[in-house]
Amino acid sequence: GENVEQHPSTLSVQEGDSAVIKCTYSDSASNYFPWYKQELGKRPQLIIDIRSNVGEKKDQRIAVTLNKTAKHFSLHITETQPEDSAVYFCAAPYSSASKIIFGSGTRLSIRP
Amino acid sequence: KAGVTQTPRYLIKTRGQQVTLSCSPISGHRSVSWYQQTPGQGLQFLFEYFSETQRNKGNFPGRFSGRQFSNSRSEMNVSTLELGDSALYLCASSSERGALNEQFFGPGTRLTVL
Repeated sequence: GENVEQHPSTLSVQEGDSAVIKCTYSDSASNYFPWYKQELGKRPQLIIDIRSNVGEKKDQRIAVTLNKTAKHFSLHITETQPEDSAVYFCAAPYSSASKIIFGSGTRLSIRP
Repeated sequence: KAGVTQTPRYLIKTRGQQVTLSCSPISGHRSVSWYQQTPGQGLQFLFEYFSETQRNKGNFPGRFSGRQFSNSRSEMNVSTLELGDSALYLCASSSERGALNEQFFGPGTRLTVL
């Protein structure tokens, strides 16, 4: 069925350490995988996305990896900073890209 | 470019009433998607409108409906409100289909049903 599983639901890391969030999708035809960041009281904003023709994409401290065979993709944040504290959502299209399904979110906290 | 705007920002209604929410997308964007956000359920897809046509609908009852105008502005209507409809309703616009492109979210409308 239409489902995007996201883990963990909460994550606490020491400032400067790395954080990894993982998502698994169900539709093998999915070909676009965005990650959104939602700070407290604010709207979600795209931070990085990847299309199925590449396996990895990086943007400064943020990277996303995609394993189409296993149908999972991951967000990697290195050298975490206090401003990285937020809820992160992964997403994947479903049913011939007719709609997008979001994961349940990961609340990331950065400890000083 | 101006961002996505939503009105009103806050609404308080009672059970059984109906409500209409409005979303103005970024100029030039043809797709508007609507989402319900609750603490326990995350972001749930309601529907997407593209060029005035509903392209798909999420798993919500028929009380939830919407439409899109020729200028791409969209409205969402919820009839016969229930307590469980209390949530933050977000709309998002994109230049092409929302499932395959970056979506730009509005600030949301916080609906409280008493």
